[in-house]
Amino acid sequence: DIVMTQSPDSLAVSLGERATINCTSSQSVLYSSNNKNFLTWYQQKPGQPPILLVYWASNRKSGVPDRFSGSGSGTNFTLTISSLQAEDVAVYYCQQCYSTPWTFGQGTKVEIK
Amino acid sequence: QVQVVVSGGDVVQPGRSLRLSCAVSEVIFSNYDIHWVRQAPGKGLEWVAVISYDGSDKYYADSVKGRFTVSRDKSKNTVSLQMNSLRVEDTAIYYCAKDGGAERSLDVWARGTTVTVSS
Repeated sequence: DIVMTQSPDSLAVSLGERATINCTSSQSVLYSSNNKNFLTWYQQKPGQPPILLVYWASNRKSGVPDRFSGSGSGTNFTLTISSLQAEDVAVYYCQQCYSTPWTFGQGTKVEIK
Repeated sequence: QVQVVVSGGDVVQPGRSLRLSCAVSEVIFSNYDIHWVRQAPGKGLEWVAVISYDGSDKYYADSVKGRFTVSRDKSKNTVSLQMNSLRVEDTAIYYCAKDGGAERSLDVWARGTTVTVSS
């Protein structure tokens, strides 16, 4: 199974400042046939199901604010919130969709400083 | 409107069985794989199982293999998760989610149903 590791486990950022979450996979999730990284990012607020933010490592889902961006390739990935808003307080998860089981990272809790 | 609705959560004793249902629109049912994901109290997300759009492929997490079975009912446009030999550690909120297809993601999630395994 591919192991997904996120860092940090939690971070506190001032409103309007940048938040950066890292995600590392134990093996590459780059699919050579289409040169896509099968890495997704989700946001989960308390009492709610997760929602998809980013797929293919860097493609924002329609309707997701452009302050959210994903980057990286192979085994190292980053989710950046360029200017943290109050409504961004949540837990963020990465997930590899390269091979079953589609494993998740342990989650990163983002709070306001 | 894309809809995914899960039901069937309950409180059950260890060793007993429970069946969860995920109702989806006909378009989703006919064209997309459906995944099950769970979240133990205060913990992170754990992928549980997937069934392909035509039912030909099914995959399970090691933690549930041999105890859980995923299936499809075309007459009701539902995907079910049959959970047997339940353990205390199966206690969680269970979500079903639509596969994003070529986008390889879980792009629509149900609200979740709570399964509590306790004596």
